Amino acid sequence: QKEVEQNSGPLSVPEGAIASLNCTYSDRGSQSFFWYRQYSGKSPELIMSIYSNGDKEDGRFTAQLNKASQYVSLLIRDSQPSDSATYLCAVDTGRRALTFGSGTRLQVQP
Amino acid sequence: DTGVSQDPRHKITKRGQNVTFRCDPISEHNRLYWYRQTLGQGPEFLTYFQNEAQLEKSRLLSDRFSAERPKGSFSTLEIQRTEQGDSAMYLCASSAPEDTQYFGPGTRLTVL
Repeated sequence: QKEVEQNSGPLSVPEGAIASLNCTYSDRGSQSFFWYRQYSGKSPELIMSIYSNGDKEDGRFTAQLNKASQYVSLLIRDSQPSDSATYLCAVDTGRRALTFGSGTRLQVQP
Repeated sequence: DTGVSQDPRHKITKRGQNVTFRCDPISEHNRLYWYRQTLGQGPEFLTYFQNEAQLEKSRLLSDRFSAERPKGSFSTLEIQRTEQGDSAMYLCASSAPEDTQYFGPGTRLTVL
């Protein structure tokens, strides 16, 4: 079992729709959770961080964390073609290094 | 630009050659990380420095790989006797203590 699992996609949504990206993790001791966006050929760019159960909103982005279910999600409202990228879920298990999922490729159709 | 910088951005080398990459972290960040990313995968942790001390190394870091961070500022990652399987994007990230990691643009290595 991978430590951080994501559906590889592609997840295709029409422009203006809500995109929902999901991630599960195996280490119950995980403390911090991050979503990074990565455009093709570029490096990961931080979108959101979340540390406690519940929702955290930043503009069009909402991160949701459920530690009991070991589940993290990212919602993107009013999706734009410029949101088309790979979204990486990353988990800090307390070892300082981040453990990443393989990423979900999002395609927003104009 | 005060972000993380990496040099070179691209490196093409022949199998068996040695290569060295450089990373300059955000100036106030005392933590520096190296990751490797292959196509279709997320970044995989290689090694971590706090100031000049190398505190953790992944099992991925074979004895052909060595990293240094003299004086706790920039860091270098050297790969000796490169193999085709070393072809990847090498990413450097830095952070302040207990803070978010910010990534540099990466060095794409191609081993022919």
